[in-house]
Amino acid sequence: DTEVTQTPKHLVMGMTNKKSLKCEQHMGHRAMYWYKQKAKKPPELMFVYSYEKLSINESVPSRFSPECPNSSLLNLHLHALQPEDSALYLCASSQIGGEEEKLFFGSGTQLSVL
Amino acid sequence: QQPVQSPQAVILREGEDAVINCSSSKALYSVHWYRQKHGEAPVFLMILLKGGEQKGHEKISASFNEKKQQSSLYLTASQLSYSGTYFCGLQYGKLIFGQGTELSVKP
Repeated sequence: DTEVTQTPKHLVMGMTNKKSLKCEQHMGHRAMYWYKQKAKKPPELMFVYSYEKLSINESVPSRFSPECPNSSLLNLHLHALQPEDSALYLCASSQIGGEEEKLFFGSGTQLSVL
Repeated sequence: QQPVQSPQAVILREGEDAVINCSSSKALYSVHWYRQKHGEAPVFLMILLKGGEQKGHEKISASFNEKKQQSSLYLTASQLSYSGTYFCGLQYGKLIFGQGTELSVKP
């Protein structure tokens, strides 16, 4: 199984809503990532978890709250988002170290904030 | 610092070759290459490590020039399926992607 599964695929939410994005992998990867991608732009790193601990937070606003309940799951909790947060949110996973650090991406959640 | 890719866009006919460059102002240690088709997730193509050899993947290969602080992706005898946006990524404790090169292969 070389898949990273993200749900939901599409999400529309209002600025006062609370929602969560979910990501799952069963490749035994110990690093998991959240990226944000705007149209025609590269993915921008938001958070990195290594061995279920938050290792990188790219100064992301607190309205985005990541969670890694176990080595296979990654969540992104959303609260009081702004319209400019509308984007494709990609989850990825990888091994840790050297040539094995290639990223496997999920197909993403297309988020629209109204 | 974001790596710089060139060209930003390229249009090819099937069977033509292309080169995409990725440059950094900092020393390179590893370079990743990914392809993203419209509406899909980025897909890993290859990774090159400092001191490593040129890598190949079907008719797509890449090189790593430490002196020039540059990596190049070579697409030979392009196929329609090669269309997409190509991103290089440089590893500096975290993977930073270049701005992308949009490649269109026409019949």
